[in-house]
Amino acid sequence: AQSVTQLDSHVSVSEGTPVLLRCNYSSSYSPSLFWYVQHPNKGLQLLLKYTSAATLVKGINGFEAEFKKSETSFHLTKPSAHMSDAAEYFCVVWGDNNNDMRFGAGTRLTVKP
Amino acid sequence: GAVVSQHPSWVICKSGTSVKIECRSLDFQATTMFWYRQFPKQSLMLMATSNEGSKATYEQGVEKDKFLINHASLTLSTLTVTSAHPEDSSFYICSAASTGTSYGELFFGEGSRLTVL
Repeated sequence: AQSVTQLDSHVSVSEGTPVLLRCNYSSSYSPSLFWYVQHPNKGLQLLLKYTSAATLVKGINGFEAEFKKSETSFHLTKPSAHMSDAAEYFCVVWGDNNNDMRFGAGTRLTVKP
Repeated sequence: GAVVSQHPSWVICKSGTSVKIECRSLDFQATTMFWYRQFPKQSLMLMATSNEGSKATYEQGVEKDKFLINHASLTLSTLTVTSAHPEDSSFYICSAASTGTSYGELFFGEGSRLTVL
């Protein structure tokens, strides 16, 4: 069985400061890991994904995440927050079975001017 | 990137009526589509996995007769909420898995907000 834990339900940063959204996973397999962003009343947009290639993954809009197997973590970072980054972020673990996919509870990012 | 379209994006209906939500993959074939339900300020809850040409696989606790899923073609899956009641009001999202890679990327629809009066 797989699971994913997003350690913070809400993160608030000031515009221009770094963003860190934390995600820990549990998987019996070598998982694929994804970060998605959801703006209000919208579907999910893929930010980046890890699929057993490079452990440091760069995504869209300046986001990146590092897969750390020893820590079972896949934290999402961005050097400088922008107002448009305010949204809900979901970490997703997807294993060997197409049906075995787990979403984190989500982290709401607020960006203050 | 690939596009998944959901229709309608908003629907209001009376209690007791049935509502159909469509999920289409516009520029790729999706043998597998997923249906989720999202409550306000909560994560997505997987309802069922829809496989083209076969019966959907429902998650525990999801009523098969209440939420009818049909995946008639490689580009279309439908979710029908039968005899809808106010407690069925929610945001429903579909996703489709692209084929051709070991871990297909999920592409999400924009979601459909259902309000049952």
